[in-house]
Amino acid sequence: DQQVKQNSPSLSVQEGRISILNCDYTNSMFDYFLWYKKYPAEGPTFLISISSIKDKNEDGRFTVFLNKSAKHLSLHIVPSQPGDSAVYFCAASGETSGSRLTFGEGTQLTVNP
Amino acid sequence: KAGVTQTPRYLIKTRGQQVTLSCSPISGHRSVSWYQQTPGQGLQFLFEYFSETQRNKGNFPGRFSGRQFSNSRSEMNVSTLELGDSALYLCASSLLASGPQETQYFGPGTRLLVL
Repeated sequence: DQQVKQNSPSLSVQEGRISILNCDYTNSMFDYFLWYKKYPAEGPTFLISISSIKDKNEDGRFTVFLNKSAKHLSLHIVPSQPGDSAVYFCAASGETSGSRLTFGEGTQLTVNP
Repeated sequence: KAGVTQTPRYLIKTRGQQVTLSCSPISGHRSVSWYQQTPGQGLQFLFEYFSETQRNKGNFPGRFSGRQFSNSRSEMNVSTLELGDSALYLCASSLLASGPQETQYFGPGTRLLVL
């Protein structure tokens, strides 16, 4: 069973516009959420995270929103840049998970100049 | 500081063979986790090692095993390879593996193709 789902395999946006990547989860024990970015031939790199005690976390152009009642989180990138083109993975962890992360399938973001 | 390194980067094996992949964590990091990435499946957790002890294990068959050495380097082994084992195998290291709030650093992965 896929406990973390990213329903959009791909997303294409224009440079300068907002990119919104979505993620849904089913396990109510998850209490910490992360976004990773992956370029081809490289490993995923940590981007931003949010604890379940918050509903928003911002870091520069990147903001993650968490809606616990809907079990939904989203990553907003404003403004989008061509260098943001990558695969974005949503990940989740629970109190008893330790460092184990449960990942979504990933969304390929393409930012067109 | 050097990042996480994985060897080999690419590997081709045939069904029934066994394979060993290696991961060298960032210097000073004591935790290594392994993930399998297949198309449409995201990253699936295999296992985590800390100070030579397996602390956590994912839902994979016993053909998948691993170990960690005293210098924190880790190896994973897959025996009796199946076509479905074709994937990108990623390892991640962290300093103390104190929880998800501690950043995990991923290596570039080993691409395994089973024919």
